[in-house]
Amino acid sequence: ETGVTQSPTHLIKTRGQQVTLRCSSQSGHNTVSWYQQALGQGPQFIFQYYREEENGRGNFPPRFSGLQFPNYSSELNVNALELDDSALYLCASSLFGQGYEQYFGPGTRLTVT
Amino acid sequence: GQNIDQPTEMTATEGAIVQINCTYQTSGFNGLFWYQQHAGEAPTFLSYNVLDGLEEKGRFSSFLSRSKGYSYLLLKELQMKDSASYLCAPPGNNNDMRFGAGTRLTVKP
Repeated sequence: ETGVTQSPTHLIKTRGQQVTLRCSSQSGHNTVSWYQQALGQGPQFIFQYYREEENGRGNFPPRFSGLQFPNYSSELNVNALELDDSALYLCASSLFGQGYEQYFGPGTRLTVT
Repeated sequence: GQNIDQPTEMTATEGAIVQINCTYQTSGFNGLFWYQQHAGEAPTFLSYNVLDGLEEKGRFSSFLSRSKGYSYLLLKELQMKDSASYLCAPPGNNNDMRFGAGTRLTVKP
């Protein structure tokens, strides 16, 4: 069984640029959720993808967008990067529905300068 | 955040027992997850309570009272490797999990 993988591991971008983060879900899982974790805080829900559509969104602006592909992998895109976007971005895969535990990937550490 | 309250930090001695409490504002779905997160790593699943009561899994147990919006994680026979943050996560309304800031546990020899 393959676990959740994310790429890249680390990334440094400049304010105003755009970034794409990638996630491959655990085999057998059909749902991908993205979280942002600032230093010293818990993960904050960005959005979830199921059947290649957004299936719920947290309190993040539209410049945060995503995609899910037929193989259930997913991308997180952030436009017009701001300094406050510096954080650990976590992808979690699961089966669809409440009550199923989510399994996290190792995360992508994004630094915006 | 999101009306989830946990102590910020706790310290305990190796071999001891520690209880980490969590209170939260209930949403439309009952149940609660606990995750462990070591520094610089991703959270890992510890437990899920869907019904009231105590769920035991080895050295770790988790308790839930849905009506009170209260849960605790009990860690027995503490080991140095248990030093980590422990995140209480009730489900949200978007099939997501709502995380608090977590409790940073330090286990000392």
